[in-house]
Amino acid sequence: NAGVMQNPRHLVRRRGQEARLRCSPVKGHSHVYWYRQLPEEGLKFMVYLQKENIIDESGMPKERFSAEFPKEGPSILRIQQVVRGDSAAYFCASSTLQGKETQYFGPGTRLLVL
Amino acid sequence: GNSVTQMEGPVTLSEEAFLTINCTYTATGYPSLFWYVQYPGEGLQLLLKATKADDKGSNKGFEATYRKETTSFHLEKGSVQVSDSAVYFCALSLEKLVFGKGTKLTVNP
Repeated sequence: NAGVMQNPRHLVRRRGQEARLRCSPVKGHSHVYWYRQLPEEGLKFMVYLQKENIIDESGMPKERFSAEFPKEGPSILRIQQVVRGDSAAYFCASSTLQGKETQYFGPGTRLLVL
Repeated sequence: GNSVTQMEGPVTLSEEAFLTINCTYTATGYPSLFWYVQYPGEGLQLLLKATKADDKGSNKGFEATYRKETTSFHLEKGSVQVSDSAVYFCALSLEKLVFGKGTKLTVNP
């Protein structure tokens, strides 16, 4: 069974460009979560999605960040007009159910903004 | 709100030493509790979990017991190996995962 897949693993962008991060959940998982990890820190929740729906985006910055999980295809985290402070590792996780269920993590995308 | 506090690192041990990483939590309900491990340059891997009070999670020689009375979920291992060097995250889950800041463990030969 394939685990959570994320691509690209590393992404370099210049300030003002767009970053697009992709996440394919474990087969059969319909719940997807995005987290951000700043250097030397823990993971911070950003957004929780089910197919075609955003359930909780309380951790997402109000501007420049958006997420989707379409009926077909991977979940996408999109960062417009990136700034240096967006440099971080972005992790996707998936689960079968919401709430207390175990979340399985992907390898992450490490974004560097020059 | 819900939060997790774990002991700050870094922790440096010699091979075969005993390991304890403390973790306490604050939650408005009855969460599931997790320990995740992150090796350099990689994502998080589930190490163990417990879903209710007095449950003991165990894996690869690591153990942690869900203590409701002390709101704790301390991670222990009797004899660490060099390959255990990593960052360890304690987390709770109600509606979403809430992580501690992580504890970096280095095991020297």
